[in-house]
Amino acid sequence: DIQMTQSPASLSASLGETVSIECLASEDIYSYLAWYQQKPGKSPQLLIYAANRLQDGVPSRFSGSGSGTQYSLKISGMQPEDEGDYFCLQGSKFPWTFGGGTKLELK
Amino acid sequence: QVQLKETGPDLVQLTQTLSITCTVSGFSLTTYNVHWVRQPPGKGLEWMGAMWNGGGTDYNSAFKSRLSISRDTSKSQVFLKMNSLQTDDTAKYFCARHSTYYGYNSFDYWGQGVMVTVSS
Repeated sequence: DIQMTQSPASLSASLGETVSIECLASEDIYSYLAWYQQKPGKSPQLLIYAANRLQDGVPSRFSGSGSGTQYSLKISGMQPEDEGDYFCLQGSKFPWTFGGGTKLELK
Repeated sequence: QVQLKETGPDLVQLTQTLSITCTVSGFSLTTYNVHWVRQPPGKGLEWMGAMWNGGGTDYNSAFKSRLSISRDTSKSQVFLKMNSLQTDDTAKYFCARHSTYYGYNSFDYWGQGVMVTVSS
């Protein structure tokens, strides 16, 4: 199985700060990488697919980048509503696997 | 609009069988694939398996032969059935729609999930 190592496990950011979250795959996943935000008790919401494509309706402060085995999610200007859990998903090879998650809090 | 909703028990006894129904609306099961994903309390997500739009299935080998996924297209429902439940099967179970925007796989819509506790 492809292992997705996500970092950091948690972080705290100030209002307006730029935040980055990383996912490292154990092998090349050819940009089959999606990012999700999950609020407590809610279902995950798709932010980014194909490593860098913004899902419709997602604020443009969210962006994704990367290729091969290394991927990142950037939030350019932390907002209060960005608090939550973030995780990556690789859809390159079965079984699809998720990163361990990052808990993002507003400082 | 696209919606998925899981219905199932809150509590299942140890070694018993879990049955969850995912009822979808706003799209056809013969056009889109639907997957099952679970999330133990405070932990990460785990892909369980898929019901393909053509009627085939795929399973995470971690569940060996315990897991079965089926569907009733006339009712727009996908079913998860898992036997021999253990306490570490306590989790929130989600169904999610598979999207292939620009040829890349992801889940674009999720149900709200059903929290299942396995009790001894």
